[in-house]
Amino acid sequence: EVQLVQSGSEVKKPGESLRISCKGAGYDFGTYWISWVRQLPGKGLEWMGRFDPRDSSSNYSPSFEGHVNISGDRSINTAYLHWSRLRASDTAIYYCARTAHNGDYYRWFDAWGQGTLVTVSA
Amino acid sequence: QSALTQPASVSGSPGQSITMSCTGTSSDIGSHFFVSWYQQHPGKPPKLIIYDVNNRASGVSTRFSGSKSGNTASLTISGLQAEDEADYYCTSRVDSATSVAVAGGTKLTVL
Repeated sequence: EVQLVQSGSEVKKPGESLRISCKGAGYDFGTYWISWVRQLPGKGLEWMGRFDPRDSSSNYSPSFEGHVNISGDRSINTAYLHWSRLRASDTAIYYCARTAHNGDYYRWFDAWGQGTLVTVSA
Repeated sequence: QSALTQPASVSGSPGQSITMSCTGTSSDIGSHFFVSWYQQHPGKPPKLIIYDVNNRASGVSTRFSGSKSGNTASLTISGLQAEDEADYYCTSRVDSATSVAVAGGTKLTVL
């Protein structure tokens, strides 16, 4: 069974750093990208970017580039989403999603983590 | 961020059929067949229901179907059931980029 298991909820202060994780199981981790998707409270889904385990490369949505860092470790089937300086506006649920691709382009998200709630408040 | 547009809400009665749209441009939906649809119930992660415009994901009811015409993709749900009440999102590959376009979502209410 394909599973993506995310790290637990976090409560942080503005300006603090944070890394959350997503561990894949039940499939060849290198065959799919891992995308990160943000969902602000009561709002829709936003694609933030993705990690490619084949070459450890990452790509970002212009809306998030420069504010987050996406990385991973294929040896432990884990992808990460990292902030060096959190803002209150980062308060959201963050999902990781297994991402099917054709080598260069996105096709679909076929498995999702359970979500990590990040709360940033002074 | 979203380059795709969905209606904010649609509704229907049990047993009826509804269709919701997802409108993009010639740079995304209009140029390929990599459109997918997701269902999200409150407090749950999204779930893939349709991929590559009109293919049902594993285990998804045959009541769900997808199509595309020009720059607009559509999701049709036939024989509406109470359990179909959820938010629905479409996504698409974006040409000339490694980005993913995600629409704002449609809230389906089963009356």
